[in-house]
Amino acid sequence: NAGVTQTPKFQVLKTGQSMTLQCAQDMNHEYMSWYRQDPGMGLRLIHYSVGAGITDQGEVPNGYNVSRSTTEDFPLRLLSAAPSQTSVYFCASSGGERRAFFGQGTRLTVV
Amino acid sequence: GENVEQHPSTLSVQEGDSAVIKCTYSDSASNYFPWYKQELGKGPQLIIDIRSNVGEKKDQRIAVTLNKTAKHFSLHITETQPEDSAVYFCAASKPTDSWGKLQFGAGTQVVVTP
Repeated sequence: NAGVTQTPKFQVLKTGQSMTLQCAQDMNHEYMSWYRQDPGMGLRLIHYSVGAGITDQGEVPNGYNVSRSTTEDFPLRLLSAAPSQTSVYFCASSGGERRAFFGQGTRLTVV
Repeated sequence: GENVEQHPSTLSVQEGDSAVIKCTYSDSASNYFPWYKQELGKGPQLIIDIRSNVGEKKDQRIAVTLNKTAKHFSLHITETQPEDSAVYFCAASKPTDSWGKLQFGAGTQVVVTP
């Protein structure tokens, strides 16, 4: 049972480039979310989805886009990367008890 | 919105001693409080959680207590071992939030020295 799988693990982008961070879960969870982790700030919610076709903004959504076409996948798109988006990104999925399970993270550097 | 404060930011303990991390939350409507452990280079891992209908929960060397009146909850680790060294995060969630929508504290770096 893989749980939550994120790819890639590491990525370096140039300012202005776009990319997609992939997230897949095999637990049949309805709820999926994306967080970013910055030093001293804990994890902050970027976007979340309560099911296929339904997404909503979290605390820090600017510069990011999401879609949810299947229960399993929840990709995060950076439209035009900026140095302020240098961070570690975590995808999580939750079942009905609100217990969130996280992937291993994607470390993104924007130069 | 909900605000979660976590203290201390770093905690150094001798192996075998106890470690306590405290979190306070601002929204009295919050009713779910998980704790996560994050080892270097890995994602956060749920280690224990508590819901507002109970005051304490234990799992082997780990326990969490909740004081709803004071709006704070704490993680207690007894008989600490070197493998307990990690960053620990508390979080809070409200019933009106979508499932798993969590507000996290800033984290506590725990170092257990042999």
